[in-house]
Amino acid sequence: ETGVTQSPTHLIKTRGQQVTLRCSSQSGHNTVSWYQQALGQGPQFIFQYYREEENGRGNFPPRFSGLQFPNYSSELNVNALELDDSALYLCASSDIRLAGEHEQYFGPGTRLTVT
Amino acid sequence: AQSVTQLGSHVSVSEGALVLLRCNYSSSVPPYLFWYVQYPNQGLQLLLKYTSAATLVKGINGFEAEFKKSETSFHLTKPSAHMSDAAEYFCAVSASGGYQKVTFGIGTKLQVIP
Repeated sequence: ETGVTQSPTHLIKTRGQQVTLRCSSQSGHNTVSWYQQALGQGPQFIFQYYREEENGRGNFPPRFSGLQFPNYSSELNVNALELDDSALYLCASSDIRLAGEHEQYFGPGTRLTVT
Repeated sequence: AQSVTQLGSHVSVSEGALVLLRCNYSSSVPPYLFWYVQYPNQGLQLLLKYTSAATLVKGINGFEAEFKKSETSFHLTKPSAHMSDAAEYFCAVSASGGYQKVTFGIGTKLQVIP
């Protein structure tokens, strides 16, 4: 069984640039959620994708967008980067068909630094 | 709406002592509750979860938590701390029904003193 993987592990961007982060879900999982974890904070829910569509969104502006592909992998795109976007971005996969489970499996994260 | 409050951003215990990390939740519907652990520069690992079955939940690494509806609490305990338990611990809540949004607390950093 393959766990959740994310790429890249680290990257540095300049304010105003755009970034794409990638996530491969755990085998058998059909749902991907993205979280932002700022330094010293708990993860904050960005959005969730199921069947290639956004299935819920947290309090993040539209410049945060995502995609889910037929193989359930996912991308997080952030446009017009701001300094406050510097954080650890976590991807989590789950199986939405397991009603009542809500257990999410997390990847190791991508550390984004915006300068 | 759902939220969790973790009391104590930093907790220090001696090796071999009881570990108690506190979490109170708020949820308008029956909640699912989780404890996750995060080691430095790593993602989150699930320790245990409550999904409306037994109120005393046993997890990995000797941790357990008790769901108390009357106190809206889900405190994490371990009888005897090991050095390897030093990490950050997050309590989280998810509402039954709807999409699987998980709301996390701010975390409690556990220090184990030899």
